[in-house]
Amino acid sequence: DQQVKQNSPSLSVQEGRISILNCDYTNSMFDYFLWYKKYPAEGPTFLISISSIKDKNEDGRFTVFLNKSAKHLSLHIVPSQPGDSAVYFCAASGGFGNEKLTFGTGTRLTIIP
Amino acid sequence: DTGVSQDPRHKITKRGQNVTFRCDPISEHNRLYWYRQTLGQGPEFLTYFQNEAQLEKSRLLSDRFSAERPKGSFSTLEIQRTEQGDSAMYLCASSLMSGLDSPLHFGNGTRLTVT
Repeated sequence: DQQVKQNSPSLSVQEGRISILNCDYTNSMFDYFLWYKKYPAEGPTFLISISSIKDKNEDGRFTVFLNKSAKHLSLHIVPSQPGDSAVYFCAASGGFGNEKLTFGTGTRLTIIP
Repeated sequence: DTGVSQDPRHKITKRGQNVTFRCDPISEHNRLYWYRQTLGQGPEFLTYFQNEAQLEKSRLLSDRFSAERPKGSFSTLEIQRTEQGDSAMYLCASSLMSGLDSPLHFGNGTRLTVT
């Protein structure tokens, strides 16, 4: 039972354009959502998070949008840079914060110079 | 902040052998987590500690798996009688406390191969 789904295994975007990564969830108890970025041979690195009381959170080039009614969140990266090429994981938890994160299967983002 | 450190980075073992992995969290972090990641999947939660107390264990953690954090600092994950299905990347993470402002910081993992 995949409670957090990233339906696009890969995405290619031209440098300078916007990258949009999508994530859907099924568990209505989830109230805290995060995006992690992973380079090969490294552990995941935290990017940005959002709680269910918000619908948008911004940090520099990264913006996360949350649509609770659709159980959908997205990560926007603008402008996309070559260093953004990595695997991006969406994660969710139903606790107060970060206990027991449930991860999606990841989307491999490739930025084309 | 030297980050979360895991040792070894790679481990190859024969089926039936026991293995132990070590994780050193960020020094001031009181929460420590173990996750497992297999090819094409996201990390899956195994267990977590607050200080030395193990607060939750996943059903993925069979009786062959045991984790400890004896003094609330480093942690070990032991797998007894390894099976080929145990081959995965084992990730350790730590955080300062529960809450929105304390995301998990992951180490670079220990890749286990069971032959």
